[in-house]
This record gives sequence, C-alpha cells and structure tokens, in this order.
Amino acid sequence: AQSVAQPEDQVNVAEGNPLTVKCTYSVSGNPYLFWYVQYPNRGLQFLLKYITGDNLVKGSYGFEAEFNKSQTSFHLKKPSALVSDSALYFCAVRDKGSTLGRLYFGRGTQLTVWP
Amino acid sequence: EAQVTQNPRYLITVTGKKLTVTCSQNMNHEYMSWYRQDPGLGLRQIYYSMNVEVTDKGDVPEGYKVSRKEKRNFPLILESPSPNQTSLYFCASSLGLGTYNEQFFGPGTRLTVL
Repeated sequence: AQSVAQPEDQVNVAEGNPLTVKCTYSVSGNPYLFWYVQYPNRGLQFLLKYITGDNLVKGSYGFEAEFNKSQTSFHLKKPSALVSDSALYFCAVRDKGSTLGRLYFGRGTQLTVWP
Repeated sequence: EAQVTQNPRYLITVTGKKLTVTCSQNMNHEYMSWYRQDPGLGLRQIYYSMNVEVTDKGDVPEGYKVSRKEKRNFPLILESPSPNQTSLYFCASSLGLGTYNEQFFGPGTRLTVL
C-alpha cells in the first residue's frame, strides 16, 4: 500500500527564518515524490518533484526538498521564508513500478509565515 | 493558456437532485482525475481515466460516476447527491501515462448538498 504522512498540521515561522515542512512516505517500490501548494480559494500548484538522481531537488519560488531513502522522507525546505509563502502544502507519492497514474496525497500542512 | 477548467465553481443543491460538474483541459493530456478535499483528510481520489473510454475507481468512488468520451473532457456525475458529498472537488490532468509527470489542477468546485 502507498501512503504519505505529514506529521504537522501547522507550521509557523517568522519571515526571514528557514522553514521545513515534513513528509514521510510508504511505497512498495521506489517512489516518485511531489510537493504541491494551495493558496486560498485556488487549486493546487506543482512545486517540485523527485524522480531520480540528486537527492536535493529545487523547485518554484525558492523551495527545495531533500529525498532521504533510508528515512523514507521528502521534507520541503526554504532558506528564508516570506509572508507570501503562507499556504497549504501537500506532499504526494506514486510508486515507480505502478502502471497506474494514481497519486497519493498527505493531509496537508498549513504554513503560516508571520511578519 | 494551458489550463484545467471546472464548472460550476460553486454549487448549492438539495439531496437527490442529479448534478454534473464539468472538467476540461486544453493540454492534450491522456490522464485525468477527480479528487475531493475535506478538512483534515487531504485529497482523496474519486475516479481517474488513463485515456478515452478508460476509467477506474479511486479511493472514494461511491456515489459518483464519470465518463471519458473525449480526451479533453472528464465530467463528474452525482446521480443522487447526499449531504456527505458536500466537499471541495478538484479535477486534474497530466501528460501521458508516465507516473513521473506532475498533475495540473483546476480551480475547484465547492459543492454543498442540503
């Protein structure tokens, strides 16, 4: 079975400080991993993904994520948070070996960056 | 502009009155999917389609129907809506059948069933 866990419902950070949004996953094979962001009253927007290769992937708006196979984690990070980063963030996983297009999402983490 | 569109964006209806939420994409994507988003539960997949006339159930298909007669359209049908189907619905599409492709999401449809 495939699943994603985002252990924190909320993350609060001061503007200018680094931020981390945590994600752990479970798949039977090797994973494709994704981060999406949802701003209020909007659909989800793709941020970044890990397919293969370098464990550190860079995405939109200065975000990056590190794939850690031994810890089955894919934490989202940003060196310096902005108030405009405040949004709902979703981690998602798909098994590489799956022939289906299904994507499994975590429950989401609400990030609040205060001035 | 490449996009996924959904209509209506907001809908209030009553129990048992059939409704359809339309979804259309202009990117020639093979894969399309419907999700519902509920507080504390994240996104759960309702149905997905790998191509025209190819659909399959997701995690929460009960009470929903879909069809894929054209590549660009993937409507979601609620034959007899019930209050537990009050939710925020998203349509998404992605290129090909490749599992590494990111999904593009529509703006969402907020449905209230009284």
